[in-house]
Amino acid sequence: ELKVEQNPLFLSMQEGKNYTIYCNYSTTSDRLYWYRQDPGKSLESLFVLLSNGAVKQEGRLMASLDTKARLSTLHITAAVHDLSATYFCAVDDTDKLIFGTGTRLQVFP
Amino acid sequence: GAGVSQSPSNKVTEKGKDVELRCDPISGHTALYWYRQSLGQGLEFLIYFQGNSAPDKSGLPSDRFSAERTGGSVSTLTIQRTQQEDSAVYLCASSLRPVGYGYTFGSGTRLTVV
Repeated sequence: ELKVEQNPLFLSMQEGKNYTIYCNYSTTSDRLYWYRQDPGKSLESLFVLLSNGAVKQEGRLMASLDTKARLSTLHITAAVHDLSATYFCAVDDTDKLIFGTGTRLQVFP
Repeated sequence: GAGVSQSPSNKVTEKGKDVELRCDPISGHTALYWYRQSLGQGLEFLIYFQGNSAPDKSGLPSDRFSAERTGGSVSTLTIQRTQQEDSAVYLCASSLRPVGYGYTFGSGTRLTVV
């Protein structure tokens, strides 16, 4: 059974700082997704990583995938308040996505 | 349609009543998924449709939960004899293919059982 773990579960960071969210998964998969969820809202797709070594960047967020280590990272550069949200990673499991527990990010001045 | 549409957006029901939640996927998307998100929790897979068939319904928590999809389009998730622990946001997603082609989520139905 595929399990997906994220850490940290909660992240409070100051504006301008850098930090990384980690996503580990238990079985082989070549596809990993990152989503953002604002309070009371649905999920917004951020990145789709489809192969080992894939790296994608959008603004202050950069995601990478190491399928051999079964690890994805979401790196935040020079955080701003607008990035405050919950971030989920999700891994393809044959016919569905299995989600991590989520990382609640709070950026303060 | 332009996105995945779910209705109602909010539903309050009394314990023991039946409820139906509707999902209208993106036109042409063959795969459809239901997930449940309890307060402050991650997303729990419920069921997956490919066309009108449900090859994976392993996440349905009990026999009170059922779902169907008709015409390869609209899906209905039915919860019978609702319980307070059923309170959650129910999210629907659709995709062109079952794996690896990106998933678009609807805005969800917030179900409250009182």
